[in-house]
Amino acid sequence: DVKVTQSSRYLVKRTGEKVFLECVQDMDHENMFWYRQDPGLGLRLIYFSYDVKMKEKGDIPEGYSVSREKKERFSLILESASTNQTSMYLCASSRTGAGDTQYFGPGTRLTVL
Amino acid sequence: KQEVTQIPAALSVPEGENLVLNCSFTDSAIYNLQWFRQDPGKGLTSLLLIQSSQREQTSGRLNASLDKSSGRSTLYIAASQPGDSATYLCACDPIGWDSSYKLIFGSGTRLLVRP
Repeated sequence: DVKVTQSSRYLVKRTGEKVFLECVQDMDHENMFWYRQDPGLGLRLIYFSYDVKMKEKGDIPEGYSVSREKKERFSLILESASTNQTSMYLCASSRTGAGDTQYFGPGTRLTVL
Repeated sequence: KQEVTQIPAALSVPEGENLVLNCSFTDSAIYNLQWFRQDPGKGLTSLLLIQSSQREQTSGRLNASLDKSSGRSTLYIAASQPGDSATYLCACDPIGWDSSYKLIFGSGTRLLVRP
């Protein structure tokens, strides 16, 4: 079974803090994704990566950066957290390119005070 | 630009009923369509994936169909149970130079199965 894990289920941070969200997959998948999910807005893609050290912006990259130093790990970084980044963050991975199933992690509920 | 719509937004049914969830998409150029389940506060679990060349997929009490020409997919749940209560999301994997491997999600149908 594919397993995608996220470092925290719940996280509370203060405005201006630097926040790291970690995601690890154990199936040697090429692609990894970060989404955020908000009521009424659905899931929106923040960034994705199709290879180590490669990254592409999604629909809402502003205020975020990512890092993929190893194939199995994809980190989402909030350089200076703001209250409008309070959200559910979901990580996903897929084997190759278009047409492959994306497998999701359990999510991190981030609250920025 | 691909848009995915799910109707209804919420559904409440008594246990044992058969039910249908609807998903529509505006552009038929897709690799596949996928149905997910999400429990409150949790991540997404993939239920069924239908490739663009397929018409339907089945898993247990679930059956998903795909009609690309009309831009529709349905998720049929037979003999519903309280444990089926969750939000169901459909997502398209669009074909295109700017698709960037990303899925386009609907806003979901929140299902409640009453005992």
